[in-house]
Amino acid sequence: DQQVKQNSPSLSVQEGRISILNCDYTNSMFDYFLWYKKYPAEGPTFLISISSIKDKNEDGRFTVFLNKSAKHLSLHIVPSQPGDSAVYFCAARGTGSARQLTFGSGTQLTVLP
Amino acid sequence: DVKVTQSSRYLVKRTGEKVFLECVQDMDHENMFWYRQDPGLGLRLIYFSYDVKMKEKGDIPEGYSVSREKKERFSLILESASTNQTSMYLCASSRGEKLFFGSGTQLSVL
Repeated sequence: DQQVKQNSPSLSVQEGRISILNCDYTNSMFDYFLWYKKYPAEGPTFLISISSIKDKNEDGRFTVFLNKSAKHLSLHIVPSQPGDSAVYFCAARGTGSARQLTFGSGTQLTVLP
Repeated sequence: DVKVTQSSRYLVKRTGEKVFLECVQDMDHENMFWYRQDPGLGLRLIYFSYDVKMKEKGDIPEGYSVSREKKERFSLILESASTNQTSMYLCASSRGEKLFFGSGTQLSVL
């Protein structure tokens, strides 16, 4: 049973517009959430994160929103650029002895010039 | 910069072969992980280690084993490779919550 879900396998956005990538989770014990970006033939790289005690974290063009009551987080990219085209993975960290990350299935973002 | 190095970018093996995937990190991180990435399934955790000689099963450990004799090196072993182990294998290390990944090994088992 997937504890972290990204229900959109792909998303296309025009350059300059906003990209919104969504992620849902089922485990209320997750205490930290991260977004990773992955280009083909490369390993994922860390993009932005948020603690469960916050509802928003911003870093330049990237903002992550967390809605704990809905068990939902989203990544906003404004403005989108062609170089943002990649697979984006949402990840969540458990507490206690299970502090490893659980990843979603990823969303392929394509930013059209 | 943190560097996580995986020994092979591409690997082709035959069914039944024993396969070793090597991973080395240069940042003195305690924690190391092995994931596999498959289309539509994302990254799934195979094994992880929080210390030398320590190992813990992840979500899909069947058919795999690991070895961590030194802090900087974490090896993934496929005892008898099968076609359903064809996948992209990703090694990662961390000290806190942020993982640093290697470039991955695309393994094909024929």
